[in-house]
Amino acid sequence: DTAVSQTPKYLVTQMGNDKSIKCEQNLGHDTMYWYKQDSKKFLKIMFSYNNKELIINETVPNRFSPKSPDKAHLNLHINSLELGDSAVYFCASSPGTRAQETQYFGPGTRLLVL
Amino acid sequence: EDKVVQSPLSLVVHEGDTVTLNCSYEVTNFRSLLWYKQEKKAPTFLFMLTSSGIEKKSGRLSSILDKKELFSILNITATQTGDSAVYLCAVGNNAGNMLTFGGGTRLMVKP
Repeated sequence: DTAVSQTPKYLVTQMGNDKSIKCEQNLGHDTMYWYKQDSKKFLKIMFSYNNKELIINETVPNRFSPKSPDKAHLNLHINSLELGDSAVYFCASSPGTRAQETQYFGPGTRLLVL
Repeated sequence: EDKVVQSPLSLVVHEGDTVTLNCSYEVTNFRSLLWYKQEKKAPTFLFMLTSSGIEKKSGRLSSILDKKELFSILNITATQTGDSAVYLCAVGNNAGNMLTFGGGTRLMVKP
């Protein structure tokens, strides 16, 4: 029943490792997003993706890459993890191709890099 | 760069009180402003505002946008402990496909 789901919920890993977070939406939405929320609760867009374009927030390091096997999935792959990558990562989706619509968020993945 | 500032950063009230949360923004080519409520996990959508002066209302919550003065307020009347959460404001522009979020207001409602 879950509209936007993410796995895993928690991820603890060592610096330098490569990890992926998966996201799936069963809403039939066209656009998916990844956000990073830091310890101060600041929610920052990382990527916006639909079947026509990928928009990358220029502040996101290129160690982060989104991968979309199909319209319902947008996974986040992170290479060479750093301490500063520790945060909660939220996936979201929206019906159309514009971010300025209601976005539905997943439950978040709490990443801790040791 | 688009910018969204929310105030106050945090607020503690008692049940039954009325609160007003503020969101001011600087956006190139503004399109919409959205309010979200975040409890323990994911943000959940409250309102989307695109026109000035038109109040949106849902139960005890209401919100209004002023595009001239570049701000929005979120009002919660007769607060309940279940209203305790972080309230996030976000703006979208016509240029890109991203929302810019403010830092949130943490509301705590005491019994």
